[in-house]
Amino acid sequence: NAGVTQTPKFQVLKTGQSMTLQCAQDMNHEYMSWYRQDPGMGLRLIHYSVGAGITDQGEVPNGYNVSRSTTEDFPLRLLSAAPSQTSVYFCASSQDRGPVYGYTFGSGTRLTVV
Amino acid sequence: KQEVTQIPAALSVPEGENLVLNCSFTDSAIYNLQWFRQDPGKGLTSLLLIQSSQREQTSGRLNASLDKSSGRSTLYIAASQPGDSATYLCAVGWTGTASKLTFGTGTRLQVTL
Repeated sequence: NAGVTQTPKFQVLKTGQSMTLQCAQDMNHEYMSWYRQDPGMGLRLIHYSVGAGITDQGEVPNGYNVSRSTTEDFPLRLLSAAPSQTSVYFCASSQDRGPVYGYTFGSGTRLTVV
Repeated sequence: KQEVTQIPAALSVPEGENLVLNCSFTDSAIYNLQWFRQDPGKGLTSLLLIQSSQREQTSGRLNASLDKSSGRSTLYIAASQPGDSATYLCAVGWTGTASKLTFGTGTRLQVTL
């Protein structure tokens, strides 16, 4: 089925470890983004990309890196995991940066940092 | 600061009732507004997208309205069913930064038998 695929679904990390959250879409969408969801705070934008080779910071970018080498993939890297990064992470994509067609979200990655 | 607020945080209604969920935003310069549904432990499912030039959108039993001048959107659910139980989120794309959504914290809806 076409859509946004995130892996893994669950992950437990120790403080200081690094890891990459994967996001792939097969809809040829230009725009992709990463959000984190924390209780009582809603979803907050981490990083986004408007096309291959172009990325920019969102509201809460510290501690995360991204790159966009292909249209399909937009991985999120945690450089040195901290307990404050315990959250649910969502990847989203859009055909036109959102204004007309809206966004499609993946099913999320639940990350726990101990 | 551009903010989105959803009140109430939780709502419980008996099956069959019509209900309204509210979303308010602090800046009238919006590009669009999208309503999502989120089931526990799941991702977000898009329900309705309203462009700034539109007043409402309808899909089945759902109707979303937009009033930019008052900074409000409502999601109307007709003849509620237990399967409608979920958290409903609204998200705003602002003019000039439509790529970056600002989300409300959601309303958790429970429809009881």
